[in-house]
Amino acid sequence: QVQLQESGPGLVKPSETLSLTCSVSGGSISSYYWSWIRQPPEKGLEWIGYIFYSGSTNYNPSLKSRVTISVDTSKNQFSLKLSSVTAADTAVYYCARPAYYYDSSGYFNDAFDIWGQGTMVTVSS
Amino acid sequence: AIRMTQSPSSFSASTGDRVTITCRASQGISSYLAWYQQKPGKAPKLLIYAASTLQSGVPSRFSGSGSGTDFTLTISCLQSEDFATYYCQQYHNYPRTFGQGTKVEIK
Repeated sequence: QVQLQESGPGLVKPSETLSLTCSVSGGSISSYYWSWIRQPPEKGLEWIGYIFYSGSTNYNPSLKSRVTISVDTSKNQFSLKLSSVTAADTAVYYCARPAYYYDSSGYFNDAFDIWGQGTMVTVSS
Repeated sequence: AIRMTQSPSSFSASTGDRVTITCRASQGISSYLAWYQQKPGKAPKLLIYAASTLQSGVPSRFSGSGSGTDFTLTISCLQSEDFATYYCQQYHNYPRTFGQGTKVEIK
């Protein structure tokens, strides 16, 4: 059973870089692809981007200029960096895995079927 | 980006009620739609994918329908553990986008 666990500082100063890591256990990171999603307090969910184990990435255009997602297959981890943060970046950050398979009926499931517990990051001086 | 709009944003219901939540996409997404349930302080939980396929382990009182731009999530007989916020999400295009959420509260 694959499990995800986010880690990183809970407080980041404005204009600095937010850095988080997601550790994958119970399975290899060297298959599937892996995403970051965030949720500001009392608000909805925003997809940040994904990384494939090979290192290819896809970012949300709304954050693309500030986001870097990387992978370390030797540690079974992937990471998020978000630069020049402001209070608007205060949120719970989740790592998640898209299912990425065709089921027995031929339906494509690329929804997020595995999530980390989330980590709250506050941007404040 | 594809905009996902849910309605209503919130409502109150009683245990045993049949409830329906709707989700509309700003452009056609075929059946590439998922529904999630989120409880306070917890990560979202996948309920339905491909618009109408129940994720393994999800109770059969949950069902989904629709294709193209209009989708619904139905809970046939609301249980106490179903009071939560529900989100739809499209996986037809990037960026992946979610609805704003529908909070189901106890009447």
